[in-house]
Amino acid sequence: QSALTQPASVSGSPGQSITISCAGTNSDIGTYIFVSWYQQHPGKAPKLIIFDVSHRPSGVSDRFSGSKSGNTASLTISGLQAEDEADYYCTSYTNNNTPVFGGGTRLTVL
Amino acid sequence: QVHLQESGPGLVKPSETLSLICSVSRAPVSPYFWNWIRQPPGKGLEWLGYMSNRGSTNYNPSLKSRVAISVDASNNQVSLKLTSVTAADTAVYFCARDSGITVFGVGAFDYWGQGILVTVSS
Repeated sequence: QSALTQPASVSGSPGQSITISCAGTNSDIGTYIFVSWYQQHPGKAPKLIIFDVSHRPSGVSDRFSGSKSGNTASLTISGLQAEDEADYYCTSYTNNNTPVFGGGTRLTVL
Repeated sequence: QVHLQESGPGLVKPSETLSLICSVSRAPVSPYFWNWIRQPPGKGLEWLGYMSNRGSTNYNPSLKSRVAISVDASNNQVSLKLTSVTAADTAVYFCARDSGITVFGVGAFDYWGQGILVTVSS
């Protein structure tokens, strides 16, 4: 199974909004609503921030939002803060009945 | 708050079997799906597989013949075995719980251990 495609890096200034894309195929994102996003700070475990395309677990800031169009999912972070600087990973359920991760995107807050 | 802690050898020789344990505290293991996920140094995440709350398993097709996950409910532990390891298996290995926040088994991992670095080298 091929990894989902994410940009290697994105950046933004405090207070701005950024969007991270996650491109898949008709075998994963295009068919299923089961897209999740994770935030990972250096040396730490990933943290679930979005599930089912656009739902936030309890306690996750509403500055994080998700969406999907066709075979591509997106994570938007509004009102960027220094603490948002981290790596972000998407996942999707696939026709193989398994989840697959994206390659990850490093967010730099300028 | 549930706590997950991975343990095991930090160094494994090529061709040998990597064996890790995830000890779970403050919650039972039985009701959930238990996953192993790894991350090679400086690289992205790779899902290895899970054991379901009914005892069935599902593995990454790229590793299917080498990986085995089991759950020991009596000791509240989850184990991972990866056979015939090579340098490419060097990674931080995470155990992660799928609590069924959505549908079970679709990649929503809501609790993670801190991870353990395993290096494959002679």
